Amino acid sequence: GQQVMQIPQYQHVQEGEDFTTYCNSSTTLSNIQWYKQRPGGHPVFLIQLVKSGEVKKQKRLTFQFGEAKKNSSLHITATQTTDVGTYFCAGRSGGSYIPTFGRGTSLIVHP
Amino acid sequence: NAGVTQTPKFRILKIGQSMTLQCTQDMNHNYMYWYRQDPGMGLKLIYYSVGAGITDKGEVPNGYNVSRSTTEDFPLRLELAAPSQTSVYFCASSSKPQGFTNEKLFFGSGTQLSVL
Repeated sequence: GQQVMQIPQYQHVQEGEDFTTYCNSSTTLSNIQWYKQRPGGHPVFLIQLVKSGEVKKQKRLTFQFGEAKKNSSLHITATQTTDVGTYFCAGRSGGSYIPTFGRGTSLIVHP
Repeated sequence: NAGVTQTPKFRILKIGQSMTLQCTQDMNHNYMYWYRQDPGMGLKLIYYSVGAGITDKGEVPNGYNVSRSTTEDFPLRLELAAPSQTSVYFCASSSKPQGFTNEKLFFGSGTQLSVL
């Protein structure tokens, strides 16, 4: 079945440093979504990418979808303590409408 | 709108007991999902439903059952609880996907379940 791999599992950064998490799929994706889960909270939708090579920005967050639509990344510039949480990607491929979640990357920001 | 509401928030079960996790949404969403989240393991899909009367297994359905008699409600039943079912459970809902896009998932606040 479809697999979505996400790395790294954990990332410690000093406040102000940049952060990137990567998502890779074994199959071509129709789209990819990104979610953020704060500690003790539930996942909250951030963004969806659909087109090959697409890049979208939300303030300090930059999302990219690979040209082959098999990988994606989330980059945070100048992290803040409010960025702490786990970031998940979720991809859909083939005839299934159900997205498959990666394991998530937990971001820890040290002040 | 309340969004997706899950009850209870916390529960402790003894091995072999049964319980139902309740989930209701007021957004008239067709798609509903149950996930479990174990530390460092991400979100694993247990069951999903694409509309009232239609349910299907996800990645980890064993030990669970669901029903979808209405658009709003999607309860998850645990029969004969086992320690391996200790986890955080999330219910989610979304509108029907359109073409290559998916509608975003709205998650409930979760149920923390311990089986001892």
